[in-house]
Amino acid sequence: DAGVIQSPRHEVTEMGQEVTLRCKPISGHDYLFWYRQTMMRGLELLIYFNNNVPIDDSGMPEDRFSAKMPNASFSTLKIQPSEPRDSAVYFCASSLRRGVGANVLTFGAGSRLTVL
Amino acid sequence: GEDVEQSLFLSVREGDSSVINCTYTDSSSTYLYWYKQEPGAGLQLLTYIFSNMDMKQDQRLTVLLNKKDKHLSLRIADTQTGDSAIYFCAESGTGGFKTIFGAGTRLFVKA
Repeated sequence: DAGVIQSPRHEVTEMGQEVTLRCKPISGHDYLFWYRQTMMRGLELLIYFNNNVPIDDSGMPEDRFSAKMPNASFSTLKIQPSEPRDSAVYFCASSLRRGVGANVLTFGAGSRLTVL
Repeated sequence: GEDVEQSLFLSVREGDSSVINCTYTDSSSTYLYWYKQEPGAGLQLLTYIFSNMDMKQDQRLTVLLNKKDKHLSLRIADTQTGDSAIYFCAESGTGGFKTIFGAGTRLFVKA
């Protein structure tokens, strides 16, 4: 497996523009997570899905952020309109849970977003 | 709410042992993890420990857990320059779905 695939790797946009980040999880994984990493706040969990269904979106900062998972092999994180404070590295991670065992996350390489 | 705290920086000489410390607040934490992040890359799992264990060893890595004090440590024996990276402590509770990360400890290894 090629691992968790994220695109784009880098995105530079202007304030007010729409940004869409994409993620392809590892085939067969049933959980998908979106994290945001900044120097100030570290690694924050934004939202996670189980079997394509959003389970907890309490970490989504504002209504400007939305995430979807239309099928088991694709998820998007959308920011509309974008603001400079959204500048961060956005990570997608997936996992396969077995019972109540450890939640071992496999991360993608991240999408670095810069909003000017 | 859950919180995981780590010191931000650690500097060691090549060949020495590194010890990275972490404290957590959630007493219901079931699993505790150590992840490594190299520049420009995502996080990669190093090891994890179940909360009813107090030690786990995996080659050069030793994890110690003091559940009473909610303290976790990662010891890297014979530290190499390739070990320079950011190390994240993380925890997940009984439900296990939400994994909460610390801010990360940046390890510098001097040759």
